Amino acid sequence: AQSVTQLGSHVSVSEGALVLLRCNYSSSVPPYLFWYVQYPNQGLQLLLKYTTGATLVKGINGFEAEFKKSETSFHLTKPSAHMSDAAEYFCAVSAFHTGGFKTIFGAGTRLFVKA
Amino acid sequence: NAGVTQTPKFRVLKTGQSMTLLCAQDMNHEYMYWYRQDPGMGLRLIHYSVGEGTTAKGEVPDGYNVSRLKKQNFLLGLESAAPSQTSVYFCASSNPNRAETQYFGPGTRLLVL
Repeated sequence: AQSVTQLGSHVSVSEGALVLLRCNYSSSVPPYLFWYVQYPNQGLQLLLKYTTGATLVKGINGFEAEFKKSETSFHLTKPSAHMSDAAEYFCAVSAFHTGGFKTIFGAGTRLFVKA
Repeated sequence: NAGVTQTPKFRVLKTGQSMTLLCAQDMNHEYMYWYRQDPGMGLRLIHYSVGEGTTAKGEVPDGYNVSRLKKQNFLLGLESAAPSQTSVYFCASSNPNRAETQYFGPGTRLLVL
C-alpha cells in the first residue's frame, strides 16, 4: 500500500525566508515522487519529480526536493520565498501495483508569504 | 495546443438533478482521470481510463459514472446530484508511464443545493 502525509496544512513565511514543506510517504515498492503546485482557481501543475538517479531534484521557480529513502521523505525547499510562491502544494507518490500504477496525492499544504 | 480543457467552469445544481462534465485533451494521452478536491482532503480519484473504451473505478466512485468513447474525451456524469457532491472537479491526462506527469485542467466548481 502507498500513502502520502504532508505535515502542516498551512505554512506561513516572510518574503525572502526559507520555504520548507514536508512530505513523508510509504510505499511497498520503489516510489516515484512528485510535487505539484496549484495557484488560485487553477489546476495543478508539476513542480518537480523524482524517478531514479540523483536524489536532489531541481524544479521550476527555484524549488528543489531531496529524496531520502532512510527517512521516507521528500521535502520541498526554496532558499528565498517570493510573494508569487503563495499557492497550495501537493506531494504525490506513484508506484506500480498489479494491473498498472497508481498516484496518490497528499492533502496539500497552503503556503502564505508575508511581505 | 490547449492541453486539458473542462466544461463547464461552474455549475449550480439542485439535489436530484443530473449533469455531465466534459474533459478534452489534445496531447494524445492514453490515460485520463477524474478527481474531486475538497478542503483538507487533497485530490481523490473518482474514475480513470487507461484507453478509449475502457474505464475503471478509483477511490470514490459512488454516485458517478464515466465514459471514454473517444480517446481525447472523458465524461463524468452525475445521475442524481447530492449536496455531498459539492466540490471542485479536476480532469487530468497522462501517458502510460509511472514517471509521467499528469496534466490537469482548470477545474469545474459544482455546487449542489
